[in-house]
Amino acid sequence: EAEVAQSPRYKITEKSQAVAFWCDPISGHATLYWYRQILGQGPELLVQFQDESVVDDSQLPKDRFSAERLKGVDSTLKIQPAELGDSAMYLCASSYRGNEQFFGPGTRLTVL
Amino acid sequence: DQQVKQNSPSLSVQEGRISILNCDYTNSMFDYFLWYKKYPAEGPTFLISISSIKDKNEDGRFTVFLNKSAKHLSLHIVPSQPGDSAVYFCAAGAGNMLTFGGGTRLMVKP
Repeated sequence: EAEVAQSPRYKITEKSQAVAFWCDPISGHATLYWYRQILGQGPELLVQFQDESVVDDSQLPKDRFSAERLKGVDSTLKIQPAELGDSAMYLCASSYRGNEQFFGPGTRLTVL
Repeated sequence: DQQVKQNSPSLSVQEGRISILNCDYTNSMFDYFLWYKKYPAEGPTFLISISSIKDKNEDGRFTVFLNKSAKHLSLHIVPSQPGDSAVYFCAAGAGNMLTFGGGTRLMVKP
């Protein structure tokens, strides 16, 4: 069964360092989403891509976060510099054209 | 301003009984709703959805009810099983964007 792949699964870093997360959506899914989930809360959208174009990045802290999907397939989310408050689960999801989004296993980030 | 709320952070149910998880929303523009289930250290997995033109959708042990006038939806699981123990998120959709509630942790006791 096709799945959304994410790596790494876990990342521990010190504040002020740079981190990067990778996501490979289900083949053929044109829409890709990055979410941040803080413990005890629901996922919050950071950025949405349609193919290689950003559809919505209104909630992305652009002073330190960046996201790209250069060829409209896999995507990278970067944080530079990381801050203590960035500790969270970072989830990637993709969808074809329906309403259902399929999530990857997430990357658990801990900033020390 | 939270547009989607799950007011019960946790719920404990005996195995075999019914679990009812609730969700409220404020935005009338939402036109479909989904429930996701999440185990620790995993991403959310889709459970069931409902369009705003319906008031009920059933899939095996899972049924979602939608009350548009009250802006309320609920997920019923019957009978509940220990493997259902997880965090459940409701999500409301408009276009291809979802807004999630804060989640309810369901514990099903054997």
